[in-house]
Amino acid sequence: QVQLVESGGGVVQPGRSLRLSCAASGFTFSSYGMHWVRQAPGKGLEWVANILYDGSKKNYADSVKGRFTISRDNSKNTLYLQMNSLRAEDTAVYYCAKFGPSGMDVWGQGTTVTVSS
Amino acid sequence: QSVLTQPPSVSAAPGQKVTISCSGSSSNIGNNYVSWYQQVPGTAPKLLIQENNKRPSGIPDRFSGSKSGTSATLGITGLQTGDEADYYCGTWDTSLSAEVFGTGTKVTVL
Repeated sequence: QVQLVESGGGVVQPGRSLRLSCAASGFTFSSYGMHWVRQAPGKGLEWVANILYDGSKKNYADSVKGRFTISRDNSKNTLYLQMNSLRAEDTAVYYCAKFGPSGMDVWGQGTTVTVSS
Repeated sequence: QSVLTQPPSVSAAPGQKVTISCSGSSSNIGNNYVSWYQQVPGTAPKLLIQENNKRPSGIPDRFSGSKSGTSATLGITGLQTGDEADYYCGTWDTSLSAEVFGTGTKVTVL
């Protein structure tokens, strides 16, 4: 079945870096764009970034532009989010999601990132 | 700060109907498809409606979506206790070159 599994979350100090991964299975990963979406504790959904199926185009939320980088390895069916210069306000559950006909039709279970000294 | 506005909460008795509005602008809802997501607390969001009014496989027809101008609406009929969740609208914003979500609506079954 179609599945997305995030990993790489944890507790990190402000200013440090972290890389999240999202392993895809059950569909042709190289044919679909992908998103990262986050949710701070007790808050709503916030889109973070997306990337086209071939990695040729990427978009970022203003809140992470210049600090976060989305990438993918289609040979490994894996999506990444490199997060640098982390701030307390980046604390959230991070979800990866697959492009659908519109919006996001498959979501992972999420991985938690806590930025704290 | 979200660019799509939803009511914070709606409620109704089991078996009744609720509607959730999502208000945007010409740069987002007005010119792009709207999706709706259900999120039960502690779990990942799930797609309920795509392309304004289409239900993915496995979503019951109690859920419906519509769009008019710069607003969209999610309807839930035959309300069940299992429908208690947070609901979000989402769409692409052409001006921001960003996906945007609504502020979220909590549905309570009385």
